[in-house]
Amino acid sequence: GAGVSQSPSNKVTEKGKDVELRCDPISGHTALYWYRQSLGQGLEFLIYFQGNSAPDKSGLPSDRFSAERTGGSVSTLTIQRTQQEDSAVYLCASSKRSYEQYFGPGTRLTVT
Amino acid sequence: GDSVTQMEGPVTLSEEAFLTINCTYTATGYPSLFWYVQYPGEGLQLLLKATKADDKGSNKGFEATYRKETTSFHLEKGSVQVSDSAVYFCALSEGGGSEKLVFGKGTKLTVNP
Repeated sequence: GAGVSQSPSNKVTEKGKDVELRCDPISGHTALYWYRQSLGQGLEFLIYFQGNSAPDKSGLPSDRFSAERTGGSVSTLTIQRTQQEDSAVYLCASSKRSYEQYFGPGTRLTVT
Repeated sequence: GDSVTQMEGPVTLSEEAFLTINCTYTATGYPSLFWYVQYPGEGLQLLLKATKADDKGSNKGFEATYRKETTSFHLEKGSVQVSDSAVYFCALSEGGGSEKLVFGKGTKLTVNP
């Protein structure tokens, strides 16, 4: 079956621009997670959705980062006024509650 | 807060050698423990897991035992193959309303023929 998909696979943007990253979870998975993978910080949790609500936003690094999920399915991570330190691979994962998380291939974001 | 510490490597072994990647954790409760693997050019995938003390997770010849007394979850394989070359991540999840994963820094393993 179809796995978690993310788009775009690569994004190059100029410092100060806004970017939107999209995640399509596996059908029927109620939980959705965003993580960030960077050389300096490793793999970091950003935000967790259960359905359309986000009970855990504790990993969002600043108020420039926001995310939403609609229809209990697709999620968008938005980064406003991007900075060079935002350059990383952004990973999305989905799961049935309390079960294994399945990861997407990631979006590589480069801020120039 | 919760944290995971694993040997950072890189680790280079010859085919059929024995592998150990150490992982220790700090958590306030009783977390579930995981090993994830990232093969070159691929996404993260679950290798094995253990949900309570003394559980042993196993998959593809890899094993790890949840040791509460030493707060450890070391990954082992008796005979590695070239195809095991990848980055391995130890992780924990506390549950309790958010199943978020807390990861170690990752260990890059290269197996030479």
